[in-house]
Amino acid sequence: GEDVEQSLFLSVREGDSSVINCTYTDSSSTYLYWYKQEPGAGLQLLTYIFSNMDMKQDQRLTVLLNKKDKHLSLRIADTQTGDSAIYFCAERDSGYALNFGKGTSLLVTP
Amino acid sequence: DADVTQTPRNRITKTGKRIMLECSQTKGHDRMYWYRQDPGLGLRLIYYSFDVKDINKGEISDGYSVSRQAQAKFSLSLESAIPNQTALYFCATSDPISGTRNTGELFFGEGSRLTVL
Repeated sequence: GEDVEQSLFLSVREGDSSVINCTYTDSSSTYLYWYKQEPGAGLQLLTYIFSNMDMKQDQRLTVLLNKKDKHLSLRIADTQTGDSAIYFCAERDSGYALNFGKGTSLLVTP
Repeated sequence: DADVTQTPRNRITKTGKRIMLECSQTKGHDRMYWYRQDPGLGLRLIYYSFDVKDINKGEISDGYSVSRQAQAKFSLSLESAIPNQTALYFCATSDPISGTRNTGELFFGEGSRLTVL
């Protein structure tokens, strides 16, 4: 399948902004997603963006999409210790299954 | 109660044993999926089903089989488990895309942790 790449680890201090980056290869992707996985739990949808949008903001979350470079980012403002989790970038393929990246482990330190 | 329920949540078994992981959902979704999660490898698609009569192989279907017993039930079987099938397995569901009615979001169960010794 198509590749979705993201860095594996990110550490930030409480109160700072976190930026998690993702690149994808399928230019036909129509939806792109960010999922959050807390320890011992399943994945929950954090936010999504349509491919015809450049930016989406939802409270502390900002998603930026650069279709030309196939680059997606998730910015978390005022990061809190409760934001510590694994964050997965995903794209929807033409068959309607989701292709996931390997996940970025975000550690928020006091 | 969870919308997507997986059983068992944890299982330890031995090489060569047959294992079945079950998934049931109350969301009324037609589409169901099985993924496995391995540290550093993310989620990889094993099988998916768009309705009761439709079963499709995913990226890593070798060594696995599935059964869609009803719209609400989708089970994953390992006919002869091997140690490299030790992983966290997730079931997920979604609605079909129809115009802008649905984002294609997947709804996940809590996961089934399988250890093959």
